[in-house]
This record gives sequence, C-alpha cells and structure tokens, in this order.
Amino acid sequence: NAGVTQTPKFQVLKTGQSMTLQCAQDMNHNSMYWYRQDPGMGLRLIYYSASEGTTDKGEVPNGYNVSRLNKREFSLRLESAAPSQTSVYFCASSVAGHLIYNEQFFGPGTRLTVL
Amino acid sequence: QKEVEQDPGPLSVPEGAIVSLNCTYSNSAFQYFMWYRQYSRKGPELLMYTYSSGNKEDGRFTAQVDKSSKYISLFIRDSQPSDSATYLCAMTTMDSNYQLIWGAGTKLIIKP
Repeated sequence: NAGVTQTPKFQVLKTGQSMTLQCAQDMNHNSMYWYRQDPGMGLRLIYYSASEGTTDKGEVPNGYNVSRLNKREFSLRLESAAPSQTSVYFCASSVAGHLIYNEQFFGPGTRLTVL
Repeated sequence: QKEVEQDPGPLSVPEGAIVSLNCTYSNSAFQYFMWYRQYSRKGPELLMYTYSSGNKEDGRFTAQVDKSSKYISLFIRDSQPSDSATYLCAMTTMDSNYQLIWGAGTKLIIKP
C-alpha cells in the first residue's frame, strides 16, 4: 500500500503560469482533502471532496479549482499562479468525513514556489 | 483571534525530559480532539485521538482535554531524539462538515 501519493514533489512557477497538483490514494477512502501549510498558519483547508462526484470549498478556495476524477484521484489546479500561493500543499484522505472518528491520512506534500 | 491557538516554539528539551504541549480553543462546541505529529518534510500523521474531556494514554504519550478551560495537552514521557517533530493539534464538532480546525503546530527539539 502506497497510501496517499502526490506529484510533483517540488515545483517552481512564474506568476501567471498554471499547473495541476495530482493526488491519489489506494486505501479505498471516500473523502479527500487539499490543504496548504504556511509558517505560523497551520493547515488550511482549500477544498474537499466528501465522496466521488462531490467537491466543496474550504477555508481558502480563492485561486484554486479541484477535480475528483474518480474515487482514487483528487487534483488541485492553479489557473494563474500568484506569489501568495507559494506554500506546501498536502493532500489527505479519510474513510468518510462524516464519521465521528475521521482520521485523515496525508501525502508527502508538494513544495510550490511562485516567482 | 484564531479558533485554535498553539505556541509555535521551538521548544527545546534534553532527552529523557517530560514534555508538555498545549492548545487553547475558543469554540465550546468542539468535542473531538486530535494530535498529529509531523516530521520535517513529511505529511502529518495521527498520534492521539480523544473525545470530550479526560485523559487518554498510549505508551509514552498522554492526551488530556479540559473542556471547562478550553485547553488540551499532550504529554510525552521519557522524551527521545526521535520525538523531535512538529506537533499539531486539531479539533472538530459533530456537525463539522468535514472540516478539522488546526493549530499552527509546535516545533519540538529533543537534545541528546
């Protein structure tokens, strides 16, 4: 079991460029999440997908779009990157977000720099 | 004011010491409390999960919740250099709509 995998691990973009961060899980989880982590800010939820076919905004969705491609895959797209989007991005998954016990399993992260 | 406050540290202690990590929160509706550990350049992983008030022990780790004070703690006994990591608290409510509310994380350094 690979758990949660993310690609790429590192990326440098110029302002205005676009890119897609890929995430896949092999644990047959229903719910998936995208977070960003900035120094002193903790983890902030960008978007989540409660189940295949649904997506919802989190705390900081502006400038991002997501696609739940199937049960395994959840991608995050930056249409026009800005320096404020420089961050570490984590994908996570859980069995089902509405359960009382909702352990989230995280990928290794993508370190994104926008110049 | 953030819903969850956590001192970012770093907290540096000698090997073998008892470590106390803490979070305070403002939303009295929080009922489920978690501690995640994050090693450098890795994703967080769940360490402890507690419901409502009380203590929960797992090996060298004890999680404590004081809902009356809106205060949660993680104690590490006989700390080891391998415990050096960032510890994040997270909490949620029954009707959280899938969202965990996270503390900023405390960086812990255990000196050999």
